[in-house]
Amino acid sequence: DTEVTQTPKHLVMGMTNKKSLKCEQHMGHRAMYWYKQKAKKPPELMFVYSYEKLSINESVPSRFSPECPNSSLLNLHLHALQPEDSALYLCASSPSGVQAYEQYFGPGTRLTVT
Amino acid sequence: TQLLEQSPQFLSIQEGENLTVYCNSSSVFSSLQWYRQEPGEGPVLLVTVVTGGEVKKLKRLTFQFGDARKDSSLHITAAQPGDTGLYLCAGGAAAAGNKLTFGGGTRVLVKP
Repeated sequence: DTEVTQTPKHLVMGMTNKKSLKCEQHMGHRAMYWYKQKAKKPPELMFVYSYEKLSINESVPSRFSPECPNSSLLNLHLHALQPEDSALYLCASSPSGVQAYEQYFGPGTRLTVT
Repeated sequence: TQLLEQSPQFLSIQEGENLTVYCNSSSVFSSLQWYRQEPGEGPVLLVTVVTGGEVKKLKRLTFQFGDARKDSSLHITAAQPGDTGLYLCAGGAAAAGNKLTFGGGTRVLVKP
């Protein structure tokens, strides 16, 4: 099973709302990622968790707050977002070690901030 | 900073034609991944190449990793409308840890 699932598929939120994006994988991967993707652009890395610990934060604004409750789950908490944060948010996972580059992506959450 | 440049940015061809997408860098990568992404969906991993000069085939798709591990190509034979999508190359390097360097993407449109 090489599936990464994400919920919700679509999300519309106002600038004062608090919402969360969820991601789950059952491949036994110990690295999980959040990416942001704008239209016609490649994914941009936001956060990396390795063995449930935050290992990379690409200087992401604090209105985005990641959480890794266990090795299968990854959340992204959203608060006080701006319209420019509207994008496709992708979760990915990968094995650790020499295969860490082989990342498997979920279908994404299309976020619209109004 | 490692960069990956993809070319062309956009390719429109008729069904049955062949196409090649290139991914070039001045940096050496430990591995290179190719993904295909359809609108509104996440990228799907097609292949990983790790050895310089390696050639991998996936049905009508042929992937090649350059001898110096700085470049790669994707060749599609007899393209079909189902091959339409955004093709992304992504490189991994030991110095970058878990971070992938993505190319800018090539949008491929195969017309019936």
